[in-house]
Amino acid sequence: DIQMTQSPSTLSASVGDRVTITCRASQSISNWLAWYQQKPGKAPKLLISKSSNLEIGVPSRFSGSGSGTEFTLTISSLQPDDFATYYCQHYNSYWDTFGQGTKLEIK
Amino acid sequence: QVQLQESGPGLVKPSETLSLTCTVSGDSISSYYWSWIRQPPGKGLEWIGYIYYSGTTSYNPSLKSRVTISVDTSKNQFSLKLNSVTSADTAVYFCAKTPDYWGQGTLVTVSS
Repeated sequence: DIQMTQSPSTLSASVGDRVTITCRASQSISNWLAWYQQKPGKAPKLLISKSSNLEIGVPSRFSGSGSGTEFTLTISSLQPDDFATYYCQHYNSYWDTFGQGTKLEIK
Repeated sequence: QVQLQESGPGLVKPSETLSLTCTVSGDSISSYYWSWIRQPPGKGLEWIGYIYYSGTTSYNPSLKSRVTISVDTSKNQFSLKLNSVTSADTAVYFCAKTPDYWGQGTLVTVSS
C-alpha cells in the first residue's frame, strides 16, 4: 500500500510569510494528489487537485507542484484566514491515503 | 452543484454495528466512485473505503474485516456498515466524491 508522509506536522508563521508544506509518497503516484484546508468543525475544503490544479474560487496565493513521489503546497503570502490544518491525499487508486496533516499556526 | 448528506445514529453501543447512509443530490451516483472517510476527535483523516456504482468496492486494509459499503442507485445513496465497534471508532464520518465534494460530516460516538 502507498503511504503519504506529510511535513512538518506543525508550522508557525506570520501574516505575509511564504510557507511550504511537503508530502512524500512511498511510491510513484503520478500527479494523483490533492491538497485540502480544514478548519475546526468543518469538512475539508479542496484547494488543489491533480497536484497543481487550483480549484475555482481558491486564492491564487495557493499553489501546488510535484509529481511522482514529491509534492509541495505553497502559500505565497499568508493571510489571517489561512491559519488552519492542511492535508494531502493520494486519490484515484485501489485505495486512497491521507497525509498526517500540517497545523499552520500564528507565530 | 453536487451535495452529499450523511445520516444515521449518532450513538452506537460497543460491539454493535455502525450504520450510515449518504444521500447524493445534484449528480447521479451511477458515475465515478463514492467514498467514506472518518476523523477521530482531534486527529487526522482516515480513508475507510469506496464503492463504484457497479458495486465494486475497495477498503482500507486496517478496517477491511469489519467494513461493508453498499450502493442503492434507485435512491442515489450509498451506505457504510462497520461492525464490532469500539470507542476507537468514535469519529466524524464523512461521505465524499473525492476529491471534489464532501458531506458536512456526522459525529458517531461509541459508548454504552
